[in-house]
Amino acid sequence: GAGVSQTPSNKVTEKGKYVELRCDPISGHTALYWYRQSLGQGPEFLIYFQGTGAADDSGLPNDRFFAVRPEGSVSTLKIQRTERGDSAVYLCASSLFPGQGPYNEQFFGPGTRLTVL
Amino acid sequence: DAKTTQPPSMDCAEGRAANLPCNHSTISGNEYVYWYRQIHSQGPQYIIHGLKNNETNEMASLIITEDRKSSTLILPHATLRDTAVYYCIVRDSGGSNYKLTFGKGTLLTVNP
Repeated sequence: GAGVSQTPSNKVTEKGKYVELRCDPISGHTALYWYRQSLGQGPEFLIYFQGTGAADDSGLPNDRFFAVRPEGSVSTLKIQRTERGDSAVYLCASSLFPGQGPYNEQFFGPGTRLTVL
Repeated sequence: DAKTTQPPSMDCAEGRAANLPCNHSTISGNEYVYWYRQIHSQGPQYIIHGLKNNETNEMASLIITEDRKSSTLILPHATLRDTAVYYCIVRDSGGSNYKLTFGKGTLLTVNP
């Protein structure tokens, strides 16, 4: 079956612009996660959805970042007034259920590489 | 902060076993050890996890010491496609156990 897909794969924008990054999770997965990975670092947690609601958005760096998942499937990460420091790979993951446990691992997409000029 | 310590890089010859160490000296009794890997330009991929006992699956084996303060991921016959960054993660046992906390991992380079 299809894995997690993310679009676009690459996004180049100018400082101050607005961007949207899309994630299509594995069908039937109720939990969805966004992570951000800067060069040379491991991924950092941003936000977690259980169904349609954001259960934990403690990783979002500031109020320029916002994410939605209106129908409990596809999610969009939105960044307003982009800054050069926002340049990173944005990763999306999904799992069948939240939390840990056998057969409940997180499946990651290939990421969207965002470059802010 | 990540709860684990890993060497930044390791090398392995193709066909040989790759043994990747991880220290997690502050692990608590009900926290699991997870391993993920990330091949260049891809998202992380789950490998294996364990609590106390050694575990094996089609990808790797996980050896956890009796005091649970360290573990070793073993790739029994490394191939060039195993070149990746390997992350050892201690999974939070509390209410936020959905969250993966990655460190910098170990870059494993498998040489021909």
